[in-house]
Amino acid sequence: ETGVTQTPRHLVMGMTNKKSLKCEQHLGHNAMYWYKQSAKKPLELMFVYSLEERVENNSVPSRFSPECPNSSHLFLHLHTLQPEDSALYLCASSSHRGRSTGELFFGEGSRLTVL
Amino acid sequence: AQSVTQLGSHVSVSEGALVLLRCNYSSSVPPYLFWYVQYPNQGLQLLLKYTSAATLVKGINGFEAEFKKSETSFHLTKPSAHMSDAAEYFCAADLSNFGNEKLTFGTGTRLTIIP
Repeated sequence: ETGVTQTPRHLVMGMTNKKSLKCEQHLGHNAMYWYKQSAKKPLELMFVYSLEERVENNSVPSRFSPECPNSSHLFLHLHTLQPEDSALYLCASSSHRGRSTGELFFGEGSRLTVL
Repeated sequence: AQSVTQLGSHVSVSEGALVLLRCNYSSSVPPYLFWYVQYPNQGLQLLLKYTSAATLVKGINGFEAEFKKSETSFHLTKPSAHMSDAAEYFCAADLSNFGNEKLTFGTGTRLTIIP
């Protein structure tokens, strides 16, 4: 198993659909993240979970709903999305040991297209 | 506002030539700084990091970067480009002194290697 696994790799959904993105890390880390990657924009941090508790929510619209049932799994539930939400969604994990070390381990991403 | 700026969204170099990718940060306190690389259809991978020890940092695949406080820069270099270096490179900084990995990313530089 690779370190951080994301499924599905590609997702096409209509604006009225409900879907979920899944992330699983096999590294024994205790923090997990969702990032949004859009063309010609910096990576946008969406959510941070540390020790299964949400510690960051960067003004993300409520149509995105994260869930972290345990330290190895992270979900992003999607509903009534807009076409501008089409992007690559990246999951990452890290081992939180105090001051940032910058060592995020990323999955390969889920490419989302909203029609 | 604190930020990370990458000059040049696209850089092309000939195989064997010097690679120079530029990154500047804006912060009242020198932050921890990082370079990540993203190969096609993959997530981001840490290349190297500066965490206030040596100002010249060596990373994987022959890359290195030098922290220059007076210039607020952290440019990435490699003496001799290889075809396998073709990828997108992201500079990032921990601007918040946050306990978790709350990194601010630049917009990325796509590196093309000319045979």
